[in-house]
Amino acid sequence: GAVVSQHPSWVICKSGTSVKIECRSLDFQATTMFWYRQFPKQSLMLMATSNEGSKATYEQGVEKDKFLINHASLTLSTLTVTSAHPEDSSFYICSARDDRYQPQHFGDGTRLSIL
Amino acid sequence: DAKTTQPNSMESNEEEPVHLPCNHSTISGTDYIHWYRQLPSQGPEYVIHGLTSNVNNRMASLAIAEDRKSSTLILHRATLRDAAVYYCILIDTGTASKLTFGTGTRLQVTL
Repeated sequence: GAVVSQHPSWVICKSGTSVKIECRSLDFQATTMFWYRQFPKQSLMLMATSNEGSKATYEQGVEKDKFLINHASLTLSTLTVTSAHPEDSSFYICSARDDRYQPQHFGDGTRLSIL
Repeated sequence: DAKTTQPNSMESNEEEPVHLPCNHSTISGTDYIHWYRQLPSQGPEYVIHGLTSNVNNRMASLAIAEDRKSSTLILHRATLRDAAVYYCILIDTGTASKLTFGTGTRLQVTL
């Protein structure tokens, strides 16, 4: 089956640090990738959608200068949380699909803790 | 995308079949019915999807009502590894086709 690899699995860092999370599709071409955030005991919230080679489309209320998304190839997207603060601590999850008629395939998530 | 309604939680005994319901009374003709599940501390996992006809795969079956206003995800023999939050999501692939996760159904499986 389709595999999406997300790295790192968890990050602990100091306030003010920028953190980069990678999302790779291992066995298919991901024309579209999605980034979600999930707080404890809550559902997933879509942050942004990115198409390969285009700028990401951010959901309302998500700061694009805070959460930088790059989708430069058909197999890799990155999310950079710039100048992270404790309130950015969350579970970040990426997903990918090759075309809109196919299901999304998710990574295992990155647990980010900002001290 | 149209809204779905699911029970907050359900329980099942291991080795028994499980029927997880989903109501989607405002479904449109181009909405696909997708099911995903999320195991603890993991990203969601695709389970199954369909449009009008019932669907089967190695994980589950999807039964869709004739009027499409409801559907049921069927796990034929629940195992402890099926304990997860199950999400029923409608997607119009003709438009934005992004997943909007609701609260889902938390399935507990006991011995």
